[in-house]
Amino acid sequence: GESVGLHLPTLSVQEGDNSIINCAYSNSASDYFIWYKQESGKGPQFIIDIRSNMDKRQGQRVTVLLNKTVKHLSLQIAATQPGDSAVYFCAEKNNAGNMLTFGGGTRLMVKP
Amino acid sequence: EPEVTQTPSHQVTQMGQEVILRCVPISNHLYFYWYRQILGQKVEFLVSFYNNEISEKSEIFDDQFSVERPDGSNFTLKIRSTKLEDSAMYFCASSVYRTGDEQFFGPGTRLTVL
Repeated sequence: GESVGLHLPTLSVQEGDNSIINCAYSNSASDYFIWYKQESGKGPQFIIDIRSNMDKRQGQRVTVLLNKTVKHLSLQIAATQPGDSAVYFCAEKNNAGNMLTFGGGTRLMVKP
Repeated sequence: EPEVTQTPSHQVTQMGQEVILRCVPISNHLYFYWYRQILGQKVEFLVSFYNNEISEKSEIFDDQFSVERPDGSNFTLKIRSTKLEDSAMYFCASSVYRTGDEQFFGPGTRLTVL
């Protein structure tokens, strides 16, 4: 079940380095995955998505990798900038409906 | 760039009172959602809505909740008799896709129930 006062794992990186944020999902029926960025006091901001028929998808400075065998999703951010500091959530969905199920989030801190 | 907007940004209410949270989805989107995030917890799905009907709802979305599209632009979430545990950020989202892909979220309404 849900834990009260979720403790977020934190990734701290130096500005200019690459960041990798990981997410494990549990539902093998999920066929669509999204990464969201959430800055303090704001709503989740769409970053990139991927369907289950793909292993990799690239956007601007971001890459999402999907490993269905181990039910693992990762978000790679190239040349991380201070503006990338936020909480990053993965979310999953299956074809049976259109609700997103969110993961617990990872806090990314970028040191200048 | 088009975006989802929500009002108010912060709503304070007394326990037992009714609140209405408002959202204006992106104009060409036809599928609308409400999610909530209790402080320090995950974002949780409440309900999806299409063609003036609820498409899907979670266990959280009980009889005290209702949604409506009163006109061509607004999408509302009503909580009939608020409880302390309803205190949370409420996010509206919209999508152009029936599958629910590419859901874009609004900035949220912080609801505080006293």
